[in-house]
This record gives sequence, structure tokens and C-alpha cells, in this order.
Amino acid sequence: DGGITQSPKYLFRKEGQNVTLSCEQNLNHDAMYWYRQDPGQGLRLIYYSQIVNDFQKGDIAEGYSVSREKKESFPLTVTSAQKNPTAFYLCASSGSTETQYFGPGTRLLVL
Amino acid sequence: DQQVKQNSPSLSVQEGRISILNCDYTNSMFDYFLWYKKYPAEGPTFLISISSIKDKNEDGRFTVFLNKSAKHLSLHIVPSQPGDSAVYFCAASAPGTASKLTFGTGTRLQVTL
Repeated sequence: DGGITQSPKYLFRKEGQNVTLSCEQNLNHDAMYWYRQDPGQGLRLIYYSQIVNDFQKGDIAEGYSVSREKKESFPLTVTSAQKNPTAFYLCASSGSTETQYFGPGTRLLVL
Repeated sequence: DQQVKQNSPSLSVQEGRISILNCDYTNSMFDYFLWYKKYPAEGPTFLISISSIKDKNEDGRFTVFLNKSAKHLSLHIVPSQPGDSAVYFCAASAPGTASKLTFGTGTRLQVTL
């Protein structure tokens, strides 16, 4: 089955800890994206990557880092510099059209 | 600066009736618009899209209308079904922006029996 997978579904972070959220796609899409959703708000773009080994900051990149070493994978690290990390994180990918397809999401909670 | 606005946070419609969800935008560079449906704790699901060269696109029960002069689009669902109850997000992209999407804040649709 083609699609986007995100793991884990829930993730707990302690103060001062970096955590990494996984995103994998087997749709052969070139572009991948990370969004954050907070209650009552729309999705806000954290980082995006149009091609392997290249990525760009989105609107709210501070406190986050990414890598794109493989076409299928676009992990997001939430660093200790992100002071309000509790949110629902969504990964998406797009191919030849502008339509983005989303994974199931990871909910990050702070202990 | 909210470039895509969904001014109705919620909407309640009876089963079988028409649901109309609205979206306004301010950036005249947007040329591609999408609607997504989202259930709680799940990722958004793509519903339907429209390019700025069109003013209407239809797919089954879903129709999107685009009024470029008013910078307004709407999603019509006919007939509404209980399974349509979800949060609907409007999104837009501009050319040359790597398909980056700007999302509205969403409208929660409840379809009642």
C-alpha cells in the first residue's frame, strides 16, 4: 500500500530533551513537509524539502531541525530550544501536483 | 497575518441537506486551492481542489466554487451525511513557492440526524 507513515503515534518529552519524529513515504514523492497543529488553529509549516539533501525553513522553524538523506524519509527533531513543543505534528508529501497527502500524525506531550 | 480565513468555526446541518463551508483569502498570488477533511487525532484527507483558471470543480457530492474577484471559495456538500462530520480546512498555494500550502483555521461541521 502506498502512503505516509508517522511514528510514534504519541511521544513524551522531558525538559531539556531532544526528540525525533519519524516520517516515511513510499509514494515516490520528491517534496515532503512538516506541519504543527495547535488547538483551534490551522496547520503551520515548520520545514519543507523539495529534494533529497535540501530543505528550507517554514514559518515556525525555530526550535526544530530536519534532515533529508533519503527520498522516503524526512525526520523532524524537536530540540530543547522549542519552548512550547506540545502539539500535533503532521508530515505530508507531494509529487507532480500541488496536492499534499498527509500521514496520521504524532502527538507530542511534555512531561 | 492570516492570509486564508475561515470565519465560521462551526456549522451544524441536518442529514440530507446542503452544507456550505466558506473560505476567504487575501493573497492575490494564490492560484491553487484545496479542501481537506480532518477527524480528531488523524491526518487531513484531501477532498477536492481547484485551479484559479476554473470557477467550479465537482467530485461526487463535493463541489468547490471559486470567486476570484471576491477572493472567496466555498465547498458544497450535497447531500450531507453523518460521516461528513469533521473539521474542514481550506488551503491555498501560490506559484513558485514549492507547493507550500497556507491553511485556514478550519470549520467544524456537524451533520445531525
